[in-house]
Amino acid sequence: DGGITQSPKYLFRKEGQNVTLSCEQNLNHDAMYWYRQDPGQGLRLIYYSQIVNDFQKGDIAEGYSVSREKKESFPLTVTSAQKNPTAFYLCASSAGSLAGRTEAFFGQGTRLTVV
Amino acid sequence: AQTVTQSQPEMSVQEAETVTLSCTYDTSESDYYLFWYKQPPSRQMILVIRQEAYKQQNATENRFSVNFQKAAKSFSLKISDSQLGDAAMYFCAYRSAGAGGTSYGKLTFGQGTILTVHP
Repeated sequence: DGGITQSPKYLFRKEGQNVTLSCEQNLNHDAMYWYRQDPGQGLRLIYYSQIVNDFQKGDIAEGYSVSREKKESFPLTVTSAQKNPTAFYLCASSAGSLAGRTEAFFGQGTRLTVV
Repeated sequence: AQTVTQSQPEMSVQEAETVTLSCTYDTSESDYYLFWYKQPPSRQMILVIRQEAYKQQNATENRFSVNFQKAAKSFSLKISDSQLGDAAMYFCAYRSAGAGGTSYGKLTFGQGTILTVHP
């Protein structure tokens, strides 16, 4: 079955550590996105990528980094510069505007907690 | 920049009755898409319904329908014959159609509305 896989489901980070959240899709989608979800604030865009080896900052990119070396993969690194990383992180993908498809498909999320 | 506002943090409905969730948005664009996503306790985001701004006809998907008022920038979701499985957080989202495919499909979300369904 096609879909988006995020791992791990739960992740714990110590102060000062970098951690990487995995996102893999087998939908052959060009565009991929990372969102952060906090209570009462909806989803906010961290980074997005339209094609391999290209990505753009979203609204809250500070303290995060990404790479897009393969079409299927879009890992997110939460660096020690992110002062309040405890949140629920969602990865999404879409076929892109040019393909005429408009909806985004989401992974099941990673819950990151600072300990 | 576009903004999406959901003014109802929580709503409740009796099973089998109808409920309407509100959403307003602000944009200077004429071509865009609007979505309602459902997030149940599993936290999986599920697309409920989609509306293209250039279409005057309101979208319908089984028990779910929208009231799209482009001039008023309003996009409400009506759930008919509510079921226990409809209990979830509902998000309204905006996506620019973009010119030349440059929108990248970014979604702007509202704050969400928690829907409770009472048996």
